[in-house]
Amino acid sequence: GAGVSQSPSNKVTEKGKDVELRCDPISGHTALYWYRQSLGQGLEFLIYFQGNSAPDKSGLPSDRFSAERTGGSVSTLTIQRTQQEDSAVYLCASSLDPGNTIYFGEGSWLTVV
Amino acid sequence: AQTVTQSQPEMSVQEAETVTLSCTYDTSENNYYLFWYKQPPSRQMILVIRQEAYKQQNATENRFSVNFQKAAKSFSLKISDSQLGDTAMYFCAFMTRQGAQKLVFGQGTRLTINP
Repeated sequence: GAGVSQSPSNKVTEKGKDVELRCDPISGHTALYWYRQSLGQGLEFLIYFQGNSAPDKSGLPSDRFSAERTGGSVSTLTIQRTQQEDSAVYLCASSLDPGNTIYFGEGSWLTVV
Repeated sequence: AQTVTQSQPEMSVQEAETVTLSCTYDTSENNYYLFWYKQPPSRQMILVIRQEAYKQQNATENRFSVNFQKAAKSFSLKISDSQLGDTAMYFCAFMTRQGAQKLVFGQGTRLTINP
């Protein structure tokens, strides 16, 4: 596609529910990243994929968070048993390969009530 | 671990003025990349400028230029002839060239251009 596409753009969920956030990277980009941005804060790294493997999961805040990438393309970030502190914008990004410019999607705004 | 520090939480200038945003970083590596990203209210993170650490010459992109001081680990962004559309959050970011190449971001500077 022309850019990194994320869905949904906005999601309101009840505390304790599971949510899935989807990222469709730029076609041909092998590297894919998930970041979290809380209100008024900087970007917090969550996980990095190279192809379908995740060499760096160091940023996932708890075992309620998981991510997968299939076919070297689309990625899904899953948050189980959501908590209010999970409310944030979740940004996905991709690059042609590691070290190249990273392009971001518009993010998925998650609100846990 | 690398860290990136932006010491100016907010800045405000008049249209057409020049403004400089500060960024310092900490790393033990010699080869790396530095970036400035812009985030307008639309939330889209937009790459403004990129610098490779092995290059002595400061990167420029139209009205945007950087002052890269490798020894001082400083990477400031200068915006010349500022425009209303430059109003946004600006993030400085570091990327290693070794291992998992992820961006490490500063906390951001909120820049407002006043008419």
